Amino acid sequence: SSELTQDPAVSVALGQTVRITCQGDSLRSYYASWYQQKPGQAPVLVIYGKNNRPSGIPDRFSGSSSGNTASLTITGAQAEDEADYYCNSRDSSGNHLFGGGTKLTVL
Amino acid sequence: QLQLQESGPGLVKPSETLSLTCTVSGGSISSSSYYWGWIRQPPGKGLEWIGSIYYSGSTYYNPSLKSRVTISVDTSKNQFSLKLSSVTAADTAVYYCASIPATVFSVDYWGQGTLVTVSS
Repeated sequence: SSELTQDPAVSVALGQTVRITCQGDSLRSYYASWYQQKPGQAPVLVIYGKNNRPSGIPDRFSGSSSGNTASLTITGAQAEDEADYYCNSRDSSGNHLFGGGTKLTVL
Repeated sequence: QLQLQESGPGLVKPSETLSLTCTVSGGSISSSSYYWGWIRQPPGKGLEWIGSIYYSGSTYYNPSLKSRVTISVDTSKNQFSLKLSSVTAADTAVYYCASIPATVFSVDYWGQGTLVTVSS
């Protein structure tokens, strides 16, 4: 199916590690990208390709993939990482897909 | 570094056509290195891909919107545009324009977004 599924909400204690996942059949063929969105702001790309970070994104953000599941890991979560996170990929027709988003709370 | 800026009416009546334009600066819209896309986000909800266009004119539309969407490019103005016909209240959203590098298929630059409300 051409859908990407994310858990609606995840929480992490300050300084701990959290993994946000994204599931979908397209992920068996294409990498996921990950975006961070804070309230009232446009999304920001944090991970793309196999595990690439755009300039300016802290190295505590990393990506991985296995089978039909892509993961975004934040190692040593900071208060400023509290945000919504969206995964994004493509299907075989060249169309983009977005996951429903995961709200990350840093406790 | 690319910069994208959406423009267009913030209020559209039901059944009419929503029209938005994205002005690109810092790069050429005729570049083979990029696709140009539109994404929307209803208030309090997630992101939805609307469609994208390549410099060659090839277009890719969300199947759920395909019958109502047209994306085009104006190379003389370095702009690309979105038209969404027969709008309803469900089309009320923040609309973002975006650049997508052809090699990685991720959105690397986003416009600031513009809220379009569908209401009579």
